[in-house]
Amino acid sequence: LAKTTQPISMDSYEGQEVNITCSHNNIATNDYITWYQQFPSQGPRFIIQGYKTKVTNEVASLFIPADRKSSTLSLPRVSLSDTAVYYCLVGDHNSGNTPLVFGKGTRLSVIA
Amino acid sequence: NAGVTQTPKFQVLKTGQSMTLQCAQDMNHNSMYWYRQDPGMGLRLIYYSASEGTTDKGEVPNGYNVSRLNKREFSLRLESAAPSQTSVYFCASSERGEYYGYTFGSGTRLTVV
Repeated sequence: LAKTTQPISMDSYEGQEVNITCSHNNIATNDYITWYQQFPSQGPRFIIQGYKTKVTNEVASLFIPADRKSSTLSLPRVSLSDTAVYYCLVGDHNSGNTPLVFGKGTRLSVIA
Repeated sequence: NAGVTQTPKFQVLKTGQSMTLQCAQDMNHNSMYWYRQDPGMGLRLIYYSASEGTTDKGEVPNGYNVSRLNKREFSLRLESAAPSQTSVYFCASSERGEYYGYTFGSGTRLTVV
């Protein structure tokens, strides 16, 4: 898996847009970028995955520039319930033999 | 509700005691995983089972053993618990290992005194 670098923590006020950037300089051609979210006292859950350009779902958007060496997870108008740890993972999304390896993630704290 | 069920949710052990953490999934997934998470840290892979009948070591396997009992169940055993094994343990499953397809249980909080 390609190594990723993301901020250890971020703070935001309710209602703001939050952008979490992940750096992955050694991303390989077959690699996808996957984000998981972990609420306190729960296991992680998948939120979004992309290969290039932009992906949007009901939870977040994922922006990936042309060189794919970084990506940005965007959470629109965060609320207190978005307080969580967000993990960026890069790898071949169809790899059945290489389990997910989590880094420390980005701890997002949303303040009222 | 479909998902991954872990038992127990909480456990306190004395150093040297043994115990087995149970995990069961009802999504007919092929792959199952055990992770541990220490305070302020990400998850670290202990063992995984890519399919029924196979198991492989992850990043931190020392002190643990696993059994893939059948397609649904994947247990983690601590033979002689140590304080360093105090952690939250998460079990997960996925269909074929796709990175978007992991489903995690709610965790077992283990304290070894």
